[in-house]
Amino acid sequence: GQQLNQSPQSMFIQEGEDVSMNCTSSSIFNTWLWYKQDPGEGPVLLIALYKAGELTSNGRLTAQFGITRKDSFLNISASIPSDVGIYFCAGRKGRDNYGQNFVFGPGTRLSVLP
Amino acid sequence: NAGVTQTPKFQVLKTGQSMTLQCAQDMNHNSMYWYRQDPGMGLRLIYYSASEGTTDKGEVPNGYNVSRLNKREFSLRLESAAPSQTSVYFCASRTGIVSYEQYFGPGTRLTVT
Repeated sequence: GQQLNQSPQSMFIQEGEDVSMNCTSSSIFNTWLWYKQDPGEGPVLLIALYKAGELTSNGRLTAQFGITRKDSFLNISASIPSDVGIYFCAGRKGRDNYGQNFVFGPGTRLSVLP
Repeated sequence: NAGVTQTPKFQVLKTGQSMTLQCAQDMNHNSMYWYRQDPGMGLRLIYYSASEGTTDKGEVPNGYNVSRLNKREFSLRLESAAPSQTSVYFCASRTGIVSYEQYFGPGTRLTVT
């Protein structure tokens, strides 16, 4: 099946630091979504991106839809302890009337040290 | 407004046993989904229901069946559980209009021994 790669797989940072992670694919996507999953919970949508080059912010989070349409980036500024969790990207390919064609990445696990 | 609820939270089955995972949403969403989450892999779609009365296979449907009982409820059934079905199962729903945002339930952690 379609593969999405996320980098890094995991990261440990100090509270207050900025965080950068990315999601890449060998295929073109029409939509990119970024989700966060807390331990024992389901993923929660953070940001949705709908066109190449789009840059969207949600508080301290900023995500970009790559120009090539094969990648997306998520940045978190001034990290805080509640940023801990797993961040997933998801890409939508082709015709998709019912949300059934999303491919999810394996996730980046973020740990924040006080 | 509870969003998406799933039962049970945890389940242990022996190989060959059957069980049904329950999912309900109170957001009047049209579309519902079942995913499985395995270590080191992204969520993979098992089945989805675009609207009440319809169901379709996703990426990994083998060994599962689903029922869209009504607009609120979408159940996932394992007829004869296998160790390969050990996973965390998530149900999700979506309005089906414009936005691609899916709302996820808290998950069911299933172990098959």
